[in-house]
Amino acid sequence: DAKTTQPPSMDCAEGRAANLPCNHSTISGNEYVYWYRQIHSQGPQYIIHGLKNNETNEMASLIITEDRKSSTLILPHATLRDTAVYYCIVRVGNTGKLIFGQGTTLQVKP
Amino acid sequence: DTGVSQDPRHKITKRGQNVTFRCDPISEHNRLYWYRQTLGQGPEFLTYFQNEAQLEKSRLLSDRFSAERPKGSFSTLEIQRTEQGDSAMYLCASSLDTGGGYTFGSGTRLTVV
Repeated sequence: DAKTTQPPSMDCAEGRAANLPCNHSTISGNEYVYWYRQIHSQGPQYIIHGLKNNETNEMASLIITEDRKSSTLILPHATLRDTAVYYCIVRVGNTGKLIFGQGTTLQVKP
Repeated sequence: DTGVSQDPRHKITKRGQNVTFRCDPISEHNRLYWYRQTLGQGPEFLTYFQNEAQLEKSRLLSDRFSAERPKGSFSTLEIQRTEQGDSAMYLCASSLDTGGGYTFGSGTRLTVV
């Protein structure tokens, strides 16, 4: 199963864009990249997912490199409520199970 | 439908006791997953169901663990003869098998004393 690598922590100023990187160099052709976040003591919250094209929704944008070995989650205007652990995840094709890494703790500062 | 529900939210049990957790998924979701999360770590996959069929179990799921999903609706996860190492957050998630997002519940936090 493909693994992901993320920096353990990042800071971002409130109102600025937060760019969270992820490496998934062993990803297979049919494996999707998902991003979730988790605020302390809550279940993970879905943010966005993609296969090879860039994706955007009301929460964030996902940029996937052409070789699919890495991706970046962009929160365009970070707020204090975006402080959380962000997980970059590979979804295994047939089963749909999600393989979580250690995640990045994003601290948004005023 | 208010999402994925898990019950109880917290459970404290003595070592050696049996515990059972329940998960009610989003009604139209045919896939249901169980994960375990220990402090400071990402969730780890335990098992999943497609409708009522349990299709995969992780090596993390020892013989003391059993999961069911009768009639393809709610699911239960039972741990027999609990050990202190079982202390963790147990998360349930559901999805459609056609892809898209997975919805997680708030989890059941188990403490074995």
